[in-house]
Amino acid sequence: EIVLTQSPALMAASPGEKVTITCSVSSSISSSYLHWYQQKSGISPKPWIYGTSNLASGVPARFSGSGSGTSYSLTISSMEAEDAATYYCQQWSSSPLTFGAGTKLELK
Amino acid sequence: EVKLLESGGGLVQPGGSLKLSCAASGFDFSRYWMSWVRQAPGKGLEWIGEINPDSSTINYTPSLKDKFIISRDNAKNTLYLQMSKVRSEDTALYYCARIGGTPGTGAMDYWGQGTSVTVSS
Repeated sequence: EIVLTQSPALMAASPGEKVTITCSVSSSISSSYLHWYQQKSGISPKPWIYGTSNLASGVPARFSGSGSGTSYSLTISSMEAEDAATYYCQQWSSSPLTFGAGTKLELK
Repeated sequence: EVKLLESGGGLVQPGGSLKLSCAASGFDFSRYWMSWVRQAPGKGLEWIGEINPDSSTINYTPSLKDKFIISRDNAKNTLYLQMSKVRSEDTALYYCARIGGTPGTGAMDYWGQGTSVTVSS
């Protein structure tokens, strides 16, 4: 089973601050199979970034994704209040599909 | 508009069974892989399994393979999750999700609102 380790687990950012969340993968995967979801409290997860770097529909351009092999990241160029949420990475390079434990991003 | 509506959750006793449903609309259900994901209270997302369009391939996370059964009825545009031998750790919000995006990459592009299952005596 491929394990995804997200860091940090919890962080707070001020408006305008740059934010980076990392997802470390236990075995190298193709970047096509690494995705990110955003979840706000009490709401279903939303697809956020597909295939490492492709923003889902409606996702603000201040978000970006990058990575390859065993190291991936989600970056917010300038934190806004609406970005406060929990972010999960997910892989489907090999079964079982797995999620990271999540990174809770709070507004400072 | 794509919609996924889960139902069937509720209170179930330990060792009991429950069948969840997910009614799909707004897309050609018979052409998509579908998945179940759960989230225990205050915890992260856990993938349960997936089913391909014609039900010929069903994959599960290993720890749940002997307890849960995923099925679908394309004529009714409905996905199912049969839960058995439930335990307290199965208490969670259960989501169905469509596997869309680029084919074969496993991205879940639409999610239902979830149905809550509580295992308690």
